[in-house]
Amino acid sequence: TQLLEQSPQFLSIQEGENLTVYCNSSSVFSSLQWYRQEPGEGPVLLVTVVTGGEVKKLKRLTFQFGDARKDSSLHITAAQPGDTGLYLCAGARSGGSNYKLTFGKGTLLTVNP
Amino acid sequence: EAGVAQSPRYKIIEKRQSVAFWCNPISGHATLYWYQQILGQGPKLLIQFQNNGVVDDSQLPKDRFSAERLKGVDSTLKIQPAKLEDSAVYLCASSWVAGNTIYFGEGSWLTVV
Repeated sequence: TQLLEQSPQFLSIQEGENLTVYCNSSSVFSSLQWYRQEPGEGPVLLVTVVTGGEVKKLKRLTFQFGDARKDSSLHITAAQPGDTGLYLCAGARSGGSNYKLTFGKGTLLTVNP
Repeated sequence: EAGVAQSPRYKIIEKRQSVAFWCNPISGHATLYWYQQILGQGPKLLIQFQNNGVVDDSQLPKDRFSAERLKGVDSTLKIQPAKLEDSAVYLCASSWVAGNTIYFGEGSWLTVV
């Protein structure tokens, strides 16, 4: 079983602060995805990282894939209340049509105004 | 473009009763997924279809859960008989093909009392 450990599990910060959440595994993935899930909604894909060491930016969000493709981090600069939600990382293993995505438990972020 | 549609949104049943959830994926998407998300955890894949064939049902509790996608479009997930630990959000998702971006529905919230 491939486990993805996310930390911290809960994070409550003030608007304007910076934060980093982590996703770690002992397994190598072909790619790693980050999702945000808001209450009462399904997860929405934010980004996919594929290459070891890859860094992707999405406005105030910076995603990094570890060199060994086992871990990833998400950094948010100047957090806003709209960033509140459950951040999930998911590791992908592909084998033709048997594309398998394994999710971590998520980091629940609350940004207070 | 319409998203993944699920119904019902909410269901409360007593243990040992049965329940069925329906999913209509995004038009043209060949791959359909059912995930179970227990409160405080990330989604766990129950079953994956490619058109009307099952690709992965290794984590589906087959003694009580069943799913079908007869015509390769809509899908139904059934639980019979339900247990207290089945209380969760059941997320349906679809993608163009396995490995492409996965789009989630809003989920069907099940409470077993």
